[in-house]
Amino acid sequence: DVKVTQSSRYLVKRTGEKVFLECVQDMDHENMFWYRQDPGLGLRLIYFSYDVKMKEKGDIPEGYSVSREKKERFSLILESASTNQTSMYLCASRLLASGSHNEQFFGPGTRLTVL
Amino acid sequence: DAKTTQPTSMDCAEGRAANLPCNHSTISGNEYVYWYRQIHSQGPQYIIHGLKNNETNEMASLIITEDRKSSTLILPHATLRDTAVYYCIRSGSARQLTFGSGTQLTVLP
Repeated sequence: DVKVTQSSRYLVKRTGEKVFLECVQDMDHENMFWYRQDPGLGLRLIYFSYDVKMKEKGDIPEGYSVSREKKERFSLILESASTNQTSMYLCASRLLASGSHNEQFFGPGTRLTVL
Repeated sequence: DAKTTQPTSMDCAEGRAANLPCNHSTISGNEYVYWYRQIHSQGPQYIIHGLKNNETNEMASLIITEDRKSSTLILPHATLRDTAVYYCIRSGSARQLTFGSGTQLTVLP
C-alpha cells in the first residue's frame, strides 16, 4: 500500500512565524502535490512537483513556497504565517503524470491554526 | 463551464448496496471519471476510475453510461466505515484533481 505521511496532524502557530509542513511518500512516486481544504471551497492546489527539484505553481501559491530536494519528500513552507492560512493542508503523491493514471494518494492532513 | 452534479446526501442501510450517482454536463473524450472518498478529518482516498467501460475493484464497481455523462459508484455491501463524502471527478489533466462538493453518504446500522 502507498503510504503518504505528514509531519503533524495538528499545528498551532503565531502570525508572522515561518512554518514548515513536511510530506513523505514511500512508493517512489514521481509527482507530489500540496492542497489546502476549506469549508465551501473544496480542495485547492497550492503547488505541484513533477520531479526532484521541479515545481509548478498551482491555483493559490501566494504566501507559500515548496522544496523537493529528494524524491520522497515534499515540503510546504509558509514564509510568514497569516490568519487566512488557517486551514487543512493535504499532501498527495502520484506515480506519474498521465490523465489516465491520476490516482493521487493523500496523506492524513495537517490542520494548521494561525493565531 | 462543465458542471458535475452529485446529490448532497444519501443514506444507506448497513449491508445493502450503496449506489451513488454522478452527472457531468459535458465530458471530453480523453477525460476519465474518478471517484474518491473522504472520511471525516482524513485525507481523500482513491476508489476507482474509468473511461467508458464498467470497472470493478476490491472496493467498488463503477458503471458509466454510453454517452459518459452519467456514472454510478456501487459499494456492494456498505458498512458503517463507508460513511464518508464521495467525490466524482472528471480528469483529463495530468496536473490536479478538482474536487466538488461531493455526496455525504451515511450508512445506518
